[in-house]
Amino acid sequence: EAQVTQNPRYLITVTGKKLTVTCSQNMNHEYMSWYRQDPGLGLRQIYYSMNVEVTDKGDVPEGYKVSRKEKRNFPLILESPSPNQTSLYFCASSLDRSPLHFGNGTRLTVT
Amino acid sequence: AQSVAQPEDQVNVAEGNPLTVKCTYSVSGNPYLFWYVQYPNRGLQFLLKYITGDNLVKGSYGFEAEFNKSQTSFHLKKPSALVSDSALYFCAVRDIDDMRFGAGTRLTVKP
Repeated sequence: EAQVTQNPRYLITVTGKKLTVTCSQNMNHEYMSWYRQDPGLGLRQIYYSMNVEVTDKGDVPEGYKVSRKEKRNFPLILESPSPNQTSLYFCASSLDRSPLHFGNGTRLTVT
Repeated sequence: AQSVAQPEDQVNVAEGNPLTVKCTYSVSGNPYLFWYVQYPNRGLQFLLKYITGDNLVKGSYGFEAEFNKSQTSFHLKKPSALVSDSALYFCAVRDIDDMRFGAGTRLTVKP
């Protein structure tokens, strides 16, 4: 079954404590991306990756990092989380720049 | 830069009635247009897309969308709504490099 798997589903943390949200896809897709969803704002792209070792900033990259060491994995890293990064996060994968498969989301709360 | 607007935060329809979820866009070149659906506690699911060709695009779950170039619209439609169609719907537009999502429209179908 085609899947994008994100972990964890829920995460509560404190300001400044580094965290990583994992994302893995089993479809051999080259393109992967991260979005955050906030009420009234829809989805905004954080980072994307066209292929292994190729990553680029989206619309709201500040405070985030990503890596793409393997084709299937695309973790999102928050080195020093802040309360304004409290949001619902989605990872997506596809064959091109149009996201096709999404993970079930990670709800992050930073206090 | 491209943009997309969903003018209605909320749409309510009775089961069995036709539904329309509106979307307008702005893009400099030829648009790629998409609709996604988000069910509670789930990621987004791809419904349909318009790239070129026939202005009426058919997608998953009986949904369709009509591309209207003169009105720069891409409204989502279904002839007969189901209670299970209740969800959050996102319109998106893609230019050469960037993808933009609308803020979303919550569809509620009442029995």
